Amino acid sequence: GQQLNQSPQSMFIQEGEDVSMNCTSSSIFNTWLWYKQDPGEGPVLLIALYKAGELTSNGRLTAQFGITRKDSFLNISASIPSDVGIYFCAGQPDRYSGAGSYQLTFGKGTKLSVIP
Amino acid sequence: DAGITQSPRHKVTETGTPVTLRCHQTENHRYMYWYRQDPGHGLRLIHYSYGVKDTDKGEVSDGYSVSRSKTEDFLLTLESATSSQTSVYFCAISGQDTGELFFGEGSRLTVL
Repeated sequence: GQQLNQSPQSMFIQEGEDVSMNCTSSSIFNTWLWYKQDPGEGPVLLIALYKAGELTSNGRLTAQFGITRKDSFLNISASIPSDVGIYFCAGQPDRYSGAGSYQLTFGKGTKLSVIP
Repeated sequence: DAGITQSPRHKVTETGTPVTLRCHQTENHRYMYWYRQDPGHGLRLIHYSYGVKDTDKGEVSDGYSVSRSKTEDFLLTLESATSSQTSVYFCAISGQDTGELFFGEGSRLTVL
């Protein structure tokens, strides 16, 4: 099946620093999504991107849909302790394909630790 | 928060025993999914449903079966649990075909 390469696998940063992570694929996706998972909980959707080149923000989070449709980036500005968690990218090849979101492929996650 | 409840939240069982995990939603969403999460593998789709009695296999469906007799309930069954099925299982729902999933809190299963 399709695979997403998410990097970095983990990162330790100082509180207040900016964070960048990305996902790349050998296949084209028409939807990119970013989820965050807190310890002991299920993933929560942060940002959804539907158009190549799209740049979308959600508070201190900004995500971009790569022009090639094969990558996406997530930036977190001025990190705070509650940003700790695992961030997952996910790609879907066809939106409204009628086949369901079963086509969603997840990256393996970036584990973020914030040092106060 | 999306109305999703998974039960049980934790279960320890022995190899060879049957196990059923339940996912209950109050959102009346059409699509429901079962994922498993393992270190180094991320989230992998086991089975999904696109309507009552409409289900299909995902990436890692071997050893699992599902049923959906009502919109609100999606059951995942391990007919004969194996140690390789030790994992955290997540149910997810979506109202549309967009990849925007709402996840439950997970069910941690340990097979001894």
